[in-house]
Amino acid sequence: GAVVSQHPSWVICKSGTSVKIECRSLDFQATTMFWYRQFPKQSLMLMATSNEGSKATYEQGVEKDKFLINHASLTLSTLTVTSAHPEDSSFYICSANWRLRTDTQYFGPGTRLTVL
Amino acid sequence: QQQVKQSPQSLIVQKGGIPIINCAYENTAFDYFPWYQQFPGKGPALLIAIRPDVSEKKEGRFTISFNKSAKQFSLHIMDSQPGDSATYFCAASIGNQGGKLIFGQGTELSVKP
Repeated sequence: GAVVSQHPSWVICKSGTSVKIECRSLDFQATTMFWYRQFPKQSLMLMATSNEGSKATYEQGVEKDKFLINHASLTLSTLTVTSAHPEDSSFYICSANWRLRTDTQYFGPGTRLTVL
Repeated sequence: QQQVKQSPQSLIVQKGGIPIINCAYENTAFDYFPWYQQFPGKGPALLIAIRPDVSEKKEGRFTISFNKSAKQFSLHIMDSQPGDSATYFCAASIGNQGGKLIFGQGTELSVKP
């Protein structure tokens, strides 16, 4: 149980285009979903926290107009990287809390974004 | 005060050895301490977690030791195997903050055959 999926697993795009990444909780309803980015050999950096039906809360330094987060249902959150540039290339990972156990985060497999 | 400091940055042990990874925190409001294992190109996977009212927790070959007074906790991997080679992250959270995790810097473990 507690499986989180991400789609796509990797994406390559041209500079200036927008990319959407989906995060789904497959077998549970998620109270909250989190979006992280991770650079090589580094820890996970929290970008934003989203709750179903409400606006995401962004961490300091994360551009909300560049990283659009939509949390449409208890099982789906999307991250859209708008007007992507090479410096946005990174590993993006989502996680979700189970509604009945809000302390435990279950992570997705990650999405490798490469912007040319 | 929101930081979690993890050490060492990297660790090499022989098969069968017991690697120990340490984490320290300052914020006494933290009440949940999970450990995650991450393989290259994959998302982190929850290994084991502990709360401050317990000093030790074992799950299979993984043990967390927790020292509340010293504000430190550690992960021990018994009878380590080459398949345990991965990056390990400790983390901490405060229950009434919606589960937001503060991660340590990570430890890259290599278990030699």
